[in-house]
Amino acid sequence: AQSVTQLDSHVSVSEGTPVLLRCNYSSSYSPSLFWYVQHPNKGLQLLLKYTSAATLVKGINGFEAEFKKSETSFHLTKPSAHMSDAAEYFCVVSPYNTNAGKSTFGDGTTLTVKP
Amino acid sequence: EAGVTQFPSHSVIEKGQTVTLRCDPISGHDNLYWYRRVMGKEIKFLLHFVKESKQDESGMPNNRFLAERTGGTYSTLKVQPAELEDSGVYFCASSQKPGNTGELFFGEGSRLTVL
Repeated sequence: AQSVTQLDSHVSVSEGTPVLLRCNYSSSYSPSLFWYVQHPNKGLQLLLKYTSAATLVKGINGFEAEFKKSETSFHLTKPSAHMSDAAEYFCVVSPYNTNAGKSTFGDGTTLTVKP
Repeated sequence: EAGVTQFPSHSVIEKGQTVTLRCDPISGHDNLYWYRRVMGKEIKFLLHFVKESKQDESGMPNNRFLAERTGGTYSTLKVQPAELEDSGVYFCASSQKPGNTGELFFGEGSRLTVL
């Protein structure tokens, strides 16, 4: 069994300030973890993924996430928010040795970036 | 290279009617997935095709939903007869390989409204 909890449904930051989107997971197996972003009227796009290699994962657009097994967390961060980062973000867990499609998605976090 | 395309982008139908959603995956992607997001909640897995075969359809809600992928290219998802609770956004995704390391490429979704 597996589950994902995105701890904040909405996050609001000012442009140029750091971004933190929180994600906790549970999984009976060694998980693979992903962050996807969805801009309005667009499909979901992969930001980054953790697949049992380095625990600090760097993604596109300056985002990164750290896999912390002891805390069962995979929080997404960015040092400085840009207006174009405003979107909805999804944390996804997939158990090892299964198809990537049968993954469990979090409820999503909407990021607002204020000028 | 064209991405995953879905049609229609939005469909409004009355309860009891039939709707067919279509997904064209990225060329060469054998794996095709359908997901659904209802009322802004989590995105839930519906089913997974490998070429024209259904690999996993454990997420299909009931027998009013029928998915096909004739010839292993595009896929259709038919809802017949539609009920109010079927309203939501239906996403299609494709990937080159299955497995927990695979990246899913998503379409923009088909929004279904059942009145």
